[in-house]
Parts: sequence; structure tokens; C-alpha cells
Amino acid sequence: NAGVMQNPRHLVRRRGQEARLRCSPMKGHSHVYWYRQLPEEGLKFMVYLQKENIIDESGMPKERFSAEFPKEGPSILRIQQVVRGDSAAYFCASSPPRSGGASDTQYFGPGTRLTVL
Amino acid sequence: GDSVTQMEGPVTLSEEAFLTINCTYTATGYPSLFWYVQYPGEGLQLLLKATKADDKGSNKGFEATYRKETTSFHLEKGSVQVSDSAVYFCALSDRGSGTYKYIFGTGTRLKVLA
Repeated sequence: NAGVMQNPRHLVRRRGQEARLRCSPMKGHSHVYWYRQLPEEGLKFMVYLQKENIIDESGMPKERFSAEFPKEGPSILRIQQVVRGDSAAYFCASSPPRSGGASDTQYFGPGTRLTVL
Repeated sequence: GDSVTQMEGPVTLSEEAFLTINCTYTATGYPSLFWYVQYPGEGLQLLLKATKADDKGSNKGFEATYRKETTSFHLEKGSVQVSDSAVYFCALSDRGSGTYKYIFGTGTRLKVLA
């Protein structure tokens, strides 16, 4: 069973461009989480999605950021009109369906390191 | 809201030394607790976890016990190796909100010298 996959691993954008980050969860996993790690800091929750639904986006900046997890295909984190402060590592994690106390363990991808010039 | 506090690093130890990294938490509910490890340039790997009071998680010589009375989940290893050099993150799963999103500590960098 392949792990969580993210691409690209490294992404360079100029200010004002768009960044699209992709995440393919582990097979059978229906929950996807996105986290952001600023340099020398811990990870901060951004958004939690299930297929075709945003469940919790309380950690997402109000502007320029959006996320989706379509019925088919990977989850996408989209950042419009990037600024230098968006430079960070973005991690995706997935977890299996939960029922009656099933595991809340999340499995992380390798991350996408975004650099804004 | 819920939070996780970790001891600040960096922690520098000699090989075979004893390791403790402190982690305490505040939570309105009854969270699961986790330790993740991050090697340079990589993602987070689950090291160990505990889901209820007095549970002990263990893996690769690392241990941590869920202490509800002191709201702590300290990471320990009896004899560290150079290969243990990494950043260690303590986290809790926010069960109370129903989302199970993670709240992380700031991370503790460990450097083990040969």
C-alpha cells in the first residue's frame, strides 16, 4: 500500500503567480488534512476535507487560499497571487474512515516546499 | 483552545545518553497523543501514540506514557544513537471538535554526537 503522495516536492513561484499543490491519500483513506510548516516552526492545521466536502477550514487564510477533494483525483491546495510569506512546507495527511472508535492516526506525505521569489 | 507545549531545543547528547523530551498538553476533551519524527527534508513519520490514560506507546526504543493527572506525554529513550538526530513533534488529536485535526507542539531538535 503506497503511502501518501504529494507533488510537486518543490515548487518555485514568483509573487503574484498561482501555486497548486496535489495530495493523493493512502488507498482506502477518506479523510485528508493540510498543514503548513513555516521555517523553524511546528505544523499548523489549515483544512480538513472528505470526498467532495470541506469539513473544517478554520486554519485557512481567508483570502487567496482554497482546497478541494473531488470525487475522483487528488486533493488540491490552491494558493492564488502568492506572496513571499506563503513560502513554507505544506504537508498533507490522510486517515482511514472512522467508525466506533477507529484510529485517528494520520499518515503524512513528504510535503511540498513552496518558495516564493 | 487545545494546545501542546514542548521543551525547546536544540538538545545535544552524546551517543548512548538518556533522552527525555518533555511534552504537556491542555485539552477540553480526551485526546489521543502522538510523537512524530521529522528527518531533514522529509515528512513526518509516526513514532508512537497513546489513546487513553496510562497507555504506553513504544517503538524503536522510544517510549511515552499518557499521564492524564499531569497532562503530559514525555518522550524517553534509554540510549540514543547518531541516527536519532531529527526533529521530534508532540501532537494531540482534537477529538472534541469531531474533526480529529492535529495540534502540534513547536518541535524539539535533537542532535546526537558520536
